Amino acid sequence: NAGVTQTPKFQVLKTGQSMTLQCAQDMNHNSMYWYRQDPGMGLRLIYYSASEGTTDKGEVPNGYNVSRLNKREFSLRLESAAPSQTSVYFCASQARGALNGYTFGSGTRLTVV
Amino acid sequence: GQQLNQSPQSMFIQEGEDVSMNCTSSSIFNTWLWYKQDPGEGPVLLIALYKAGELTSNGRLTAQFGITRKDSFLNISASIPSDVGIYFCAGLNYGGSQGNLIFGKGTKLSVKP
Repeated sequence: NAGVTQTPKFQVLKTGQSMTLQCAQDMNHNSMYWYRQDPGMGLRLIYYSASEGTTDKGEVPNGYNVSRLNKREFSLRLESAAPSQTSVYFCASQARGALNGYTFGSGTRLTVV
Repeated sequence: GQQLNQSPQSMFIQEGEDVSMNCTSSSIFNTWLWYKQDPGEGPVLLIALYKAGELTSNGRLTAQFGITRKDSFLNISASIPSDVGIYFCAGLNYGGSQGNLIFGKGTKLSVKP
């Protein structure tokens, strides 16, 4: 069981470039989430998808877009990367009605130069 | 929105010492969760608490769900080098407008052998 798989693990972008971070889960979970983690800031929610076909903004959505491609996959897109988007990005998923929180991927470390 | 205050922000301890960290909130939660993040990895669930006053252990870890439902603490006894990492508390409420899980900013634990 792979759980939550994120690709790539590392990425360096130039300012203005675009890219898509991929996330897939094989646990048949309904909800999926994208967080960014910065030193001293904890985990901040970017976007989430409560179920297939729906997406909603989190705390820090500006500069990002998401697609819930199907129940398994939830991608995060940076259309025009900025240095402020240098961060570690985590995808997470949650089963419907789960009382034990989220399952996280191992993260994508993104540097924008 | 809901916020969790987690303290301390960081701890430097000697191997063998006990560790205590806590989380407080101005809002009540139905469930409290504690996660650990190893360097370079995503957070992993350590302990989940479901009832006010509940005290739960997982090996050397003990966590409690506060009576008021607005706080929780995590204790680690006889710390070892592999306890190094970031510990996050999280409060879970269903039906929240920004996803279900609210995270504290984390406690970074360093253990000197």
